[in-house]
Amino acid sequence: GENVEQHPSTLSVQEGDSAVIKCTYSDSASNYFPWYKQELGKRPQLIIDIRSNVGEKKDQRIAVTLNKTAKHFSLHITETQPEDSAVYFCAASNMNRDDKIIFGKGTRLHILP
Amino acid sequence: DTGVSQDPRHKITKRGQNVTFRCDPISEHNRLYWYRQTLGQGPEFLTYFQNEAQLEKSRLLSDRFSAERPKGSFSTLEIQRTEQGDSAMYLCASSLVAGIDGYTFGSGTRLTVV
Repeated sequence: GENVEQHPSTLSVQEGDSAVIKCTYSDSASNYFPWYKQELGKRPQLIIDIRSNVGEKKDQRIAVTLNKTAKHFSLHITETQPEDSAVYFCAASNMNRDDKIIFGKGTRLHILP
Repeated sequence: DTGVSQDPRHKITKRGQNVTFRCDPISEHNRLYWYRQTLGQGPEFLTYFQNEAQLEKSRLLSDRFSAERPKGSFSTLEIQRTEQGDSAMYLCASSLVAGIDGYTFGSGTRLTVV
C-alpha cells in the first residue's frame, strides 16, 4: 500500500520568511496529493491540492510542486504570518482506484515573531 | 451546520468498557471515512464506506472495532473492551465518490481510556 513520508517534523521560521515542507510517496499510481492544515484542537482542513497531471499549483502565498519521476511533492508558504503556525499534513491517493487518502506524520510549523 | 458532525466531542471511559461514536457526514457525500489520530501523528486510516457498503478495513482495526453505516447516511464506530492504547482522536471525514477535492473532516471524538 501507499506510504507517505514527510519532513521535517518541526520547522521554525521567522515571520515574513518562507517555509518549505517536503514529502515522498511510494505508490507510483498515486495521482492526487492534498495538503491539510490542523490548528491546535481543531480538525484538519484542506488548504491546497495537486493532481498528477500538473507540476505546480499556486494559491496566494501557498504553492505546491510535484515531481512524479522522483515521487516528491512539496508545500511552499511565502511571507509567513503568525496565523500560519499549525501542523501541516501531506497526503496521497489514487483517484483512479477510488482510493482512500494516506497521510504523512505531519510538520509542526512555528512562525517566530 | 452543513459540515461533518461527530458526537460526542469527548469521551472518558474505564478500561474494558464499550464505547460508540457517531458521525453525520455532509448529506450529498457518498463516502464516509474513519481515521484515528494520536498525539504528534497524522491521521491513520481505519475504514471507509461507500453509501452503506464497508469497502475496506485497515489491519489496524482489531476485532474489537466495528463500524456501520446502515442507511448510507450517519455512521457509528464501536470499540469493545477498550484498552488504554485506544486513547486517541477519532476523526470522521466524508467526500464525494473518488475523493475529489479531498475530504471534509469532522471535529473528532477524543477518547480517553483510564
